[in-house]
Amino acid sequence: GAGVSQSPSNKVTEKGKDVELRCDPISGHTALYWYRQSLGQGLEFLIYFQGNSAPDKSGLPSDRFSAERTGGSVSTLTIQRTQQEDSAVYLCASSLDGGPPGQYFGPGTRLTVT
Amino acid sequence: GIQVEQSPPDLILQEGANSTLRCNFSDSVNNLQWFHQNPWGQLINLFYIPSGTKQNGRLSATTVATERYSLLYISSSQTTDSGVYFCAVDYSWGKLQFGAGTQVVVTP
Repeated sequence: GAGVSQSPSNKVTEKGKDVELRCDPISGHTALYWYRQSLGQGLEFLIYFQGNSAPDKSGLPSDRFSAERTGGSVSTLTIQRTQQEDSAVYLCASSLDGGPPGQYFGPGTRLTVT
Repeated sequence: GIQVEQSPPDLILQEGANSTLRCNFSDSVNNLQWFHQNPWGQLINLFYIPSGTKQNGRLSATTVATERYSLLYISSSQTTDSGVYFCAVDYSWGKLQFGAGTQVVVTP
């Protein structure tokens, strides 16, 4: 079946602009996660959605970051007033219900803030 | 927070060689996954292994949860095994804490 998909694959934006990143999880997966990967910080957890429960936002680095998940499927990560330190690869993952066989990752969105 | 340490940080192998990658973690975890990040950046789920031993082709993994470590074995390495191998532990309701990774280069 289809894997996790993300769009766009690359995004270049000017400092101060808002960006939206999209994630389509694997069909039937109730859990969805956002991570980011940067040279200095490695892979970091951002936010976690599980079914209809309130999302776990404990990894969001600032209030400029937000995410929503509509209809229990597609998710959008929004970064407002982008800063250069937001430049990173943003990765989305999904899992069946938070348990085995684990999380499956999309190809990522490379964000560059100029 | 939980610490995840991987060793070695870098590994250069000749095609056909065997190797062992290690992951140590500082606290009890719900589960552990091994991933391979290929040269194009895609993270590929290799193993979901909270405990015990699993094998998938030339790769196998062992987790000893009571001693807080996991090992990934690569046998008869091929150039396609090149990339970064990450260990990640589920420390709280599905959130993964990643190690820094082991960069593997397999030369022909």
